[in-house]
Amino acid sequence: DQQVKQNSPSLSVQEGRISILNCDYTNSMFDYFLWYKKYPAEGPTFLISISSIKDKNEDGRFTVFLNKSAKHLSLHIVPSQPGDSAVYFCAASVSGSRLTFGEGTQLTVNP
Amino acid sequence: KAGVTQTPRYLIKTRGQQVTLSCSPISGHRSVSWYQQTPGQGLQFLFEYFSETQRNKGNFPGRFSGRQFSNSRSEMNVSTLELGDSALYLCASSAGQGGYGYTFGSGTRLTVV
Repeated sequence: DQQVKQNSPSLSVQEGRISILNCDYTNSMFDYFLWYKKYPAEGPTFLISISSIKDKNEDGRFTVFLNKSAKHLSLHIVPSQPGDSAVYFCAASVSGSRLTFGEGTQLTVNP
Repeated sequence: KAGVTQTPRYLIKTRGQQVTLSCSPISGHRSVSWYQQTPGQGLQFLFEYFSETQRNKGNFPGRFSGRQFSNSRSEMNVSTLELGDSALYLCASSAGQGGYGYTFGSGTRLTVV
């Protein structure tokens, strides 16, 4: 039972444009959501998070949006840079318990 | 400060053997979690330890086990290795509850032949 799903295995955008990565979840008990970025041969690194009491959180070029009624979150990267090319994972937890991850989306930013 | 350290980085084992992977968390972090990453499967949760106690366990067979020592270092063991156990094994640590964010190590790439 895949409780967190990232339906797009890959996304390609031009440098300077917006990247939008999407994530859907089924467990309505999830109350904390995170995005991680992963380069090959490295562990995932934390990017940004959001609590279910909010619908938006920003950190520099990264913004996460949460739509609880649709059980959907998205990560916006503006402007996209070639160094952003990596696999992006969304993750969710219930009251700080273990993280449940999606399958990941490979983002490629073309110069 | 030093990050999460996993050893070894790469490992090749034969089917039927057993393997032990090691993880040293960030100093002061008492929670250690383990994940398995295989192509197309994302990160699958194995188990979480806090102060030497297993706090949470994922849906993996009993061949997968782990433990945490008093200095918070953790090991995971896989017995009777199968080809399907080939994966990147990631360890992550956090100061408190892991669900609010972990710091990951670089992983151990296990290949079973």
